[in-house]
Amino acid sequence: EAQVTQNPRYLITVTGKKLTVTCSQNMNHEYMSWYRQDPGLGLRQIYYSMNVEVTDKGDVPEGYKVSRKEKRNFPLILESPSPNQTSLYFCASSIGPTGELFFGEGSRLTVL
Amino acid sequence: SQQGEEDPQALSIQEGENATMNCSYKTSINNLQWYRQNSGRGLVHLILIRSNEREKHSGRLRVTLDTSKKSSSLLITASRAADTASYFCATLSGGTDKLIFGTGTRLQVFP
Repeated sequence: EAQVTQNPRYLITVTGKKLTVTCSQNMNHEYMSWYRQDPGLGLRQIYYSMNVEVTDKGDVPEGYKVSRKEKRNFPLILESPSPNQTSLYFCASSIGPTGELFFGEGSRLTVL
Repeated sequence: SQQGEEDPQALSIQEGENATMNCSYKTSINNLQWYRQNSGRGLVHLILIRSNEREKHSGRLRVTLDTSKKSSSLLITASRAADTASYFCATLSGGTDKLIFGTGTRLQVFP
């Protein structure tokens, strides 16, 4: 089954404790992207990747890092999380930036 | 930066009625896509319309695009309670690789 898998789905952490949200897709997609969703603000792009070792900033990259060492994986790293990063995070993939995006089920992160 | 803005923000209708949602955007686009999100879940792609297309159908969905007005509409005909969800438009601006989402329309369909 074609899918995008994110882990963890739920996480509560404290300010400053590094965490990684993993994302994996099994569709051999070249394009992958991370979004955060906040009430009243819709989905905002954090980072995206056009292919292995190619990443670029979205609209809200501050406080986040990503890497794309393999085609299927695109982890989101919060080096020093802060309360304003409390949000619902989505990973998505596509054959390319112009195509249909396939979304993961989301990761709800709370930073205390 | 917010590209697409949906209107209305919320819509409540009875089963069997049609639901129309609108999306306005600011810059020229390559394509415009509509997505659906059930509460707290991942978004699901509904339909994509290219900048050189004016109308597209998929089952009970009808999407129109007016590039002169920089707007699109999504019509769901004969709505069902299962259509209750949030609907987002997303635009891919010319010359960029970023798909930008609007803030969404929350649709409630009462049985």
